[in-house]
Amino acid sequence: KQEVTQIPAALSVPEGENLVLNCSFTDSAIYNLQWFRQDPGKGLTSLLLIQSSQREQTSGRLNASLDKSSGRSTLYIAASQPGDSATYLCAVTRGGATNKLIFGTGTLLAVQP
Amino acid sequence: KAGVTQTPRYLIKTRGQQVTLSCSPISGHRSVSWYQQTPGQGLQFLFEYFSETQRNKGNFPGRFSGRQFSNSRSEMNVSTLELGDSALYLCASSSWPRQGHEQYFGPGTRLTVT
Repeated sequence: KQEVTQIPAALSVPEGENLVLNCSFTDSAIYNLQWFRQDPGKGLTSLLLIQSSQREQTSGRLNASLDKSSGRSTLYIAASQPGDSATYLCAVTRGGATNKLIFGTGTLLAVQP
Repeated sequence: KAGVTQTPRYLIKTRGQQVTLSCSPISGHRSVSWYQQTPGQGLQFLFEYFSETQRNKGNFPGRFSGRQFSNSRSEMNVSTLELGDSALYLCASSSWPRQGHEQYFGPGTRLTVT
């Protein structure tokens, strides 16, 4: 059974710092991995999608990497801003006949001005 | 292109009542999934639909049901509401099975059961 874990559960950094969020999954047979952010009481915003055949994806100040063999993904945020404060979630899909997302526990990020 | 829309945004119901939530996917997307989010359990998969067929169902009691219409809009229904059903219900749409399968979420419906 696939389990997804995110460390740390919470993180507080000063504005301008570069930071890394971690995501681990127990079954390496994934189809893709997606990173989301969620603001309090809101829906999920897709940040980056990495296919299982890819090693990384970049969008602006965000860079996500994937190491399927070790069951790990990282989300790197450069030059953090207070507007980056949110909960960050990673999720994997198995592929095949299902598009079901299995979510991690999330990292609550606070960027202090 | 309009995003995923969910209605209503907020609902307050009493134990024992039933509720219907609606989701309209991104235009052209035929795959719709539903998730329940609670502080204690996190995000849990409810079900997924493609072309009006339920392809997968999560580990929820039979009180939770859903359907998808020919225009890809989806509804989920919860009957005989319990206090524990209070949650944020999120809908996601995707281009599955076309390449990529990136999933896009709606703003959610906040259900409070009293």
